[in-house]
Amino acid sequence: QKEVEQDPGPLSVPEGAIVSLNCTYSNSAFQYFMWYRQYSRKGPELLMYTYSSGNKEDGRFTAQVDKSSKYISLFIRDSQPSDSATYLCAMSPRSNTGGFKTIFGAGTRLFVKA
Amino acid sequence: GAVVSQHPSRVICKSGTSVKIECRSLDFQATTMFWYRQFPKQSLMLMATSNEGSKATYEQGVEKDKFLINHASLTLSTLTVTSAHPEDSSFYICSATTGGFEETQYFGPGTRLLVL
Repeated sequence: QKEVEQDPGPLSVPEGAIVSLNCTYSNSAFQYFMWYRQYSRKGPELLMYTYSSGNKEDGRFTAQVDKSSKYISLFIRDSQPSDSATYLCAMSPRSNTGGFKTIFGAGTRLFVKA
Repeated sequence: GAVVSQHPSRVICKSGTSVKIECRSLDFQATTMFWYRQFPKQSLMLMATSNEGSKATYEQGVEKDKFLINHASLTLSTLTVTSAHPEDSSFYICSATTGGFEETQYFGPGTRLLVL
């Protein structure tokens, strides 16, 4: 079993739709959770990060972490064609006991149709 | 924000030659840099972690003599693919952290290597 599972998609939605992207994980030591966006042939760029459980909102993006279910989500409201990219979840224990290595999901390819 | 650059962005070389890829943090000092490899439609695979002034730590299965990493300063790390073969063709991405507890990684734009 992989430490981080992410559906690779592709996920195709019409412009304006709400997009839900998800990852599950198995390591209970993870406490730092990140979402990266990667355009084709480019390096990933950090979108959001959260520490421990809860929600965090930034503009059209909302990150949610449910540590009890080992499940994290990224919601994109009013999706735009420019949001078309691959979205990677990432997580790390960030502790002296759990280590600092960041584990990435496989990425979900998102297409937003105009 | 923190900016990381990579050079070259794309390289084509003949089998058996060596290729050097540079990773630079442009506006911050990177205590740690990471080198990843990414195959099409797959996630980032960590190859090695490099701290300035010390030897890189390689992940299991990554040949350190094949992928030479030098982290000579707080703003520059290099990855040299020695005696490259077609199976080394891939997208190589570096990242850097500013240090501290919130060690968020900032990624470079990647280098696409094609070995003929």
